[in-house]
Amino acid sequence: AQTVTQSQPEMSVQEAETVTLSCTYDTSENNYYLFWYKQPPSRQMILVIRQEAYKQQNATENRFSVNFQKAAKSFSLKISDSQLGDTAMYFCAYNQGGKLIFGQGTELSVKP
Amino acid sequence: DTGVSQNPRHKITKRGQNVTFRCDPISEHNRLYWYRQTLGQGPEFLTYFQNEAQLEKSRLLSDRFSAERPKGSFSTLEIQRTEQGDSAMYLCASSFLTNRDEQFFGPGTRLTVL
Repeated sequence: AQTVTQSQPEMSVQEAETVTLSCTYDTSENNYYLFWYKQPPSRQMILVIRQEAYKQQNATENRFSVNFQKAAKSFSLKISDSQLGDTAMYFCAYNQGGKLIFGQGTELSVKP
Repeated sequence: DTGVSQNPRHKITKRGQNVTFRCDPISEHNRLYWYRQTLGQGPEFLTYFQNEAQLEKSRLLSDRFSAERPKGSFSTLEIQRTEQGDSAMYLCASSFLTNRDEQFFGPGTRLTVL
C-alpha cells in the first residue's frame, strides 16, 4: 500500500530563520506527483509546492523549496526566511491515480 | 468564481440521524473529491468523481455513505444512521483533469455526532 510518513509531529522556528520539514513515501510507480499543502489554523488547505517525479530539478516557489530524492523516496520542504504567517499544519501528499494520500502532518510554529 | 464552497460549515446531529453535505466546486473543474479529516490527522480519501462518474470509492466509505454528482456540477455526501465515529471534518476539493493538477480545497463541513 502507498503510504506517506511525516516523522515530525511538531516543529518551531524563529522568525527569519530556515526550517526543513521531512517526508518519506512509498510507491511502486515510476511517474507520480508530490505536493506540500499548508493548513493554517481554522482555514482551508492551500497548495505550497508541487514536484513531478520525472523531473530531477527540485521545485521552488519563492521562499519554499523541496529536496526531492527519488531513490530514497524522500521529499522534504525547506522554508527560508520564515514568517509569522507560515504558522500552520503542513501536509505532504502523494497523488495516487487521482486521489491524494496525505501524511500525518507537521505542526509548524513560527516564533517572533 | 471564488473557489470551492461547502455547506453547511458546521453540523451537529444525534446518533442515528441522516445528514447531507453539499460541495460546489470551481466551475471549470472536472474532478471533485471528498476527504475526511479527524483532529490531528491528515485528510483521508473517501471518493472522487470525474464529471458525473464516480470513479473510485475508499474502503473507508461504508454502506452508510453515499455520494452523488448529478450533471457533473455540485456534489452531495450523505451519511445515513450516523455514528459517533463519523464525527470529523469533511473536506471537498476540485481540480482539472490530470493527476498533476492542484486540488483546490473548500473550507470543510465539521460534523459532530452526539
